[in-house]
Order: sequence, then C-alpha cells, then structure tokens
Amino acid sequence: DAKTTQPNSMESNEEEPVHLPCNHSTISGTDYIHWYRQLPSQGPEYVIHGLTSNVNNRMASLAIAEDRKSSTLILHRATLRDAAVYYCILRDYSGGSNYKLTFGKGTLLTVNP
Amino acid sequence: ETGVTQTPRHLVMGMTNKKSLKCEQHLGHNAMYWYKQSAKKPLELMFVYSLEERVENNSVPSRFSPECPNSSHLFLHLHTLQPEDSALYLCASSQDDMVWEQGNIQYFGAGTRLSVL
Repeated sequence: DAKTTQPNSMESNEEEPVHLPCNHSTISGTDYIHWYRQLPSQGPEYVIHGLTSNVNNRMASLAIAEDRKSSTLILHRATLRDAAVYYCILRDYSGGSNYKLTFGKGTLLTVNP
Repeated sequence: ETGVTQTPRHLVMGMTNKKSLKCEQHLGHNAMYWYKQSAKKPLELMFVYSLEERVENNSVPSRFSPECPNSSHLFLHLHTLQPEDSALYLCASSQDDMVWEQGNIQYFGAGTRLSVL
C-alpha cells in the first residue's frame, strides 16, 4: 500500500473548523483515500472516503487535491467528542480481494473547550 | 454501538492460562477481522475470515488461534501468552472482503484490553 504522512498532533477549539491534512505523494490511480478515527477507549470508526472528487457526509468533508497527492479531512464545527486519533489510509481497489486496512500512527486531535 | 460486540472488555491472565476472546457482529457481514493494538504502535492486522474461511494469517504466533464457527461469530483462543502480548485486541467486520468500496468499510468493536502477567 502507498504510504501516507500525517502530523502527529493538532489542536483545535470547540465549535471551530478543523482541517486535518494527509500527504500521499505515491498514491496510485486506483487508490481510494479512507479516513477512520479512534476515540479514547474505543475501536476505530469509519469517517469518510473518496477517490477524486470532494465528498461530504454527516460526519465530515473530504477535500482531495487535483493531483491527488494530498487530502484534507474537514470537521466543520469541532466538538469535544471529536477528540480522537484520525487515520488517513489508502485502499487499492485495482483487482482481486482487498480487505486490508493498513493503519499508520495518525493525528491526535485535541479539542479545547 | 457499532453492531460489533467484543467480550470481555478487560482480561488479565497468567502466562500458563488459556482464555478466549469473543466477537459477535449483528450487521449481516461476511468478513471478520482480528487486529492487535500495542501501546504506541499502529494497529496490526492478525487474521481475516471471509464466509467462515480464513483468508489471511499475518505471521501470527501459534499461541493465538482464531476460530470462526459462523459469519456472525469470531473467537481468538489464547494459550501460553507472553507479557509482550499485552495489548488491545480489536475485532472488525465488513460486508465483504472483495473489491467493492462500500463493502470494504470496516466496523470495529470496542476491543478487549488484555494484560498478560
């Protein structure tokens, strides 16, 4: 799997937007960009994924650069419950079965009240 | 509540004990996974089952023995563990293990925190 690079930690204030960056300069044309997050004392949970176009769902937005070498997860209004480790993961769907999620160290997001 | 339930939530065992971790998913998924999360290390995939058949064994020591009796249940049998096996063990499920982007979204349980003394 292609590698992703994320900052170790970021800080935000409650009710402000948060932009979590991810670099993936070696991304291939068939790699989807997935984001998961892990709240304290819980397992990871799916947040969002995309291929080329920007994506929105009830949890967040995903902005993908035109060259796809970077992406940004956007939390529009951070709450204290958004404090978690956020993982950016590339998934290759080029063929065959692919069940692997390869987690890195992620970004620890701290939300200040 | 993610639809994936793991029991027990906490487990302390000696190196000579035998114990089992249980995972149950209520989502109608066909694939189930075991991950290990050690302190300050990324999650590591251990085993993958698809339609009750093991499709991945990531060089896991034989003291960890998985069992998938049906598509809703997954066990991890533990015996003669070492202190370095202390970690958070996470179970996950997905609709399928095949190439299908929506089917590959994984849903995790809250994990079992294992301490080996």
